[in-house]
Amino acid sequence: AQKITQTQPGMFVQEKEAVTLDCTYDTSDPSYGLFWYKQPSSGEMIFLIYQGSYDQQNATEGRYSLNFQKARKSANLVISASQLGDSAMYFCAMREHRETSYDKVIFGPGTSLSVIP
Amino acid sequence: DSGVTQTPKHLITATGQRVTLRCSPRSGDLSVYWYQQSLDQGLQFLIQYYNGEERAKGNILERFSAQQFPDLHSELNLSSLELGDSALYFCASSVPRGTGSYNEQFFGPGTRLTVL
Repeated sequence: AQKITQTQPGMFVQEKEAVTLDCTYDTSDPSYGLFWYKQPSSGEMIFLIYQGSYDQQNATEGRYSLNFQKARKSANLVISASQLGDSAMYFCAMREHRETSYDKVIFGPGTSLSVIP
Repeated sequence: DSGVTQTPKHLITATGQRVTLRCSPRSGDLSVYWYQQSLDQGLQFLIQYYNGEERAKGNILERFSAQQFPDLHSELNLSSLELGDSALYFCASSVPRGTGSYNEQFFGPGTRLTVL
């Protein structure tokens, strides 16, 4: 069965430093997608970055980059130059691609990131 | 603003009751997804609809049902409510793979359900 593991329940990082949030996944499907979402205390879910299983290069979006290691089944999120506004819950998620228009998504338990001034 | 709307924002009801949560996807998105977020279960995928048809099913209880209408809005019906159903219910939308740009799900602001 598909599974997402985030082993860091909570993380602290100094402002302006980089931080890596870990995510490992388990799937037997050859085609899948990996996402990271941010959920601030206000509750909304904010899309950060996406990596497809066949993508050759690691995804990047501004200060966010995804360190995708397919053989190790890991998809770690790297946030560079942390800002106070980065304090939030971060969720790793995986999407199955069984067929066109089929979209089952599972989420990890999340990592709470606190940025220290 | 993601473009996905959910109503109501808050809902307080009693055990045994039935409620309906409503979601309007982003303009042009064909897929709608429902998620439940509770403190003990985390974020759980419930169900996905694509262009009016159920496509993927997750951990959705038999007391819960959903549908997507011809105008693509969706409703999640929760019946025989229990205390444990108290949670934040998210709706998200996207255009699924094979039909266009696919790499993001846009989440609505959520409906917070409290069952007393």
